[in-house]
Amino acid sequence: GAGVSQTPSNKVTEKGKYVELRCDPISGHTALYWYRQSLGQGPEFLIYFQGTGAADDSGLPNDRFFAVRPEGSVSTLKIQRTERGDSAVYLCASSLTAGYSSTDTQYFGPGTRLTVL
Amino acid sequence: ELKVEQNPLFLSMQEGKNYTIYCNYSTTSDRLYWYRQDPGKSLESLFVLLSNGAVKQEGRLMASLDTKARLSTLHITAAVHDLSATYFCAVDIGAGGTSYGKLTFGQGTILTVHP
Repeated sequence: GAGVSQTPSNKVTEKGKYVELRCDPISGHTALYWYRQSLGQGPEFLIYFQGTGAADDSGLPNDRFFAVRPEGSVSTLKIQRTERGDSAVYLCASSLTAGYSSTDTQYFGPGTRLTVL
Repeated sequence: ELKVEQNPLFLSMQEGKNYTIYCNYSTTSDRLYWYRQDPGKSLESLFVLLSNGAVKQEGRLMASLDTKARLSTLHITAAVHDLSATYFCAVDIGAGGTSYGKLTFGQGTILTVHP
């Protein structure tokens, strides 16, 4: 079946602009995750959703970053007043379930490469 | 704060040789994942290790977990060129024992297999 998809695949913006990154999880997956990967590093957790609600947003670096998942499927990561340091690959993942008893694997999308000039 | 450290960070191997990648983590956990990433691509799940002593094998790769030592290993047997990639381990310790899903990744091990 279809995997996790992310759009756009590449986004170039100017410092100070607003961007939105979209993630379509695997159908039926209730948990959705956002990570950020800088060059040469492992992915860094940002936020995850269980259904429509953010179960853990402890990884969001500051209040310029915000994510929503209004209908429990597609999610949008929003970055206001972008800075050059925001440049990275933003990865989305989904899993069938999440929570205390979950052992589900997270399946990752191809990522959105964000470049802030 | 959970720290996950992999070593080596760079590994150059000859085809046919064996080697092990180590993943150490600083906080008790019984959930550890191994992923593979090819250049410019996303992460592919390799193994899920969910208990002390867990061992999983797939082809030339075998992963194990020792929760008491806070150590996981990824062993490569008779390496082939197709295994060249970056390998990440990731640990899930939950958020105060009430929810899971927040993975903390190691820095990655870049594996290059030469003929």
